[in-house]
Amino acid sequence: EAQVTQNPRYLITVTGKKLTVTCSQNMNHEYMSWYRQDPGLGLRQIYYSMNVEVTDKGDVPEGYKVSRKEKRNFPLILESPSPNQTSLYFCASSPLTNTGELFFGEGSRLTVL
Amino acid sequence: RKEVEQDPGPFNVPEGATVAFNCTYSNSASQSFFWYRQDCRKEPKLLMSVYSSGNEDGRFTAQLNRASQYISLLIRDSKLSDSATYLCVVKRSKIIFGSGTRLSIRP
Repeated sequence: EAQVTQNPRYLITVTGKKLTVTCSQNMNHEYMSWYRQDPGLGLRQIYYSMNVEVTDKGDVPEGYKVSRKEKRNFPLILESPSPNQTSLYFCASSPLTNTGELFFGEGSRLTVL
Repeated sequence: RKEVEQDPGPFNVPEGATVAFNCTYSNSASQSFFWYRQDCRKEPKLLMSVYSSGNEDGRFTAQLNRASQYISLLIRDSKLSDSATYLCVVKRSKIIFGSGTRLSIRP
């Protein structure tokens, strides 16, 4: 089954404790992206990647890191999480860089205390 | 001002009604337009693309007005299962999501 898989789906952590949210897609998509969704603010892009070893900042990259060492994986790293990073995170992938059709993972709800 | 703006709603309409909502975008260089649907606490999913000539998919009709820089979504004969948040998406060099319009269909 074609899908984007995120883990963990739910996480409660404390300020400063490094964490990684994994994202994996099995559709051989070149484009992958991370979003956060907050009430009233909609989906905001954190980072995106056009292909392996190519990553770029989105609109809200501060406090996050990503890597794209393999085509299928695009982990999101919070080196020192803070409470303002409490949010719902979505990973998405797309087969072409020029398409607006994104395939989303089920989301990861992160709470930073 | 947000680049993509939507009325957050909620729109609360009876089953069987027709409901429409708009989305405005500020950048005239926008190239492609889409409507996504997001159920509560779930991931967004593509509902339909929006073409310049307008397009229909069953009970759903999408329109684009480039001159006035808005897109619209019309839902006819609404069903309880249409209750969701509808996200307007605009693409130029990047993909930009609106904050969404909440729709609630009551029996």
